[in-house]
Amino acid sequence: GEDVEQSLFLSVREGDSSVINCTYTDSSSTYLYWYKQEPGAGLQLLTYIFSNMDMKQDQRLTVLLNKKDKHLSLRIADTQTGDSAIYFCAEWGLSYQKVTFGTGTKLQVIP
Amino acid sequence: KAGVTQTPRYLIKTRGQQVTLSCSPISGHRSVSWYQQTPGQGLQFLFEYFSETQRNKGNFPGRFSGRQFSNSRSEMNVSTLELGDSALYLCASSLDRRNSPLHFGNGTRLTVT
Repeated sequence: GEDVEQSLFLSVREGDSSVINCTYTDSSSTYLYWYKQEPGAGLQLLTYIFSNMDMKQDQRLTVLLNKKDKHLSLRIADTQTGDSAIYFCAEWGLSYQKVTFGTGTKLQVIP
Repeated sequence: KAGVTQTPRYLIKTRGQQVTLSCSPISGHRSVSWYQQTPGQGLQFLFEYFSETQRNKGNFPGRFSGRQFSNSRSEMNVSTLELGDSALYLCASSLDRRNSPLHFGNGTRLTVT
């Protein structure tokens, strides 16, 4: 079945780069997404990448996709305290025709 | 452009009751999906509606149902509430079913006592 895995927790110092990793199993994935969730709020779309791309950069965010290993990463440059949140990766695949979310990675930014 | 609107924000219900949650998608979005979020299970897909038809359904019992209206607004209903139904229910809309990302509302927090 479809499965998306993430590490549960990441702690970084303010100003450093953060790298959040994700692995997925559905080889028919066409779109892969990164969402951010702050306490008491819904999920905010950060960025997404089509499966025929290797990399996408959007200001402080860089997404890398290794389709062979089914590995997705989100790099946040110059991490700020306002980046503290839970980050979810998600994939939409032809097999299941729905968006499946990972378990979420809680990012803690230490001032 | 207004975002996805979910009402109400908070609900407290008793076991055995039923509840209806409402979702207004972004204008022009035709697909609406519902997710249940709990600390133990994470984000679980409930169902997706497109053009007033359920297109996909997750592994939830028949007590969970939904519908979509001609203006793309959607409702979900949970009957015979159980304590385990306590969760954050998130609605998301997208332009179409495949090539556009989901945009989420702030959710409805349901507490069953």
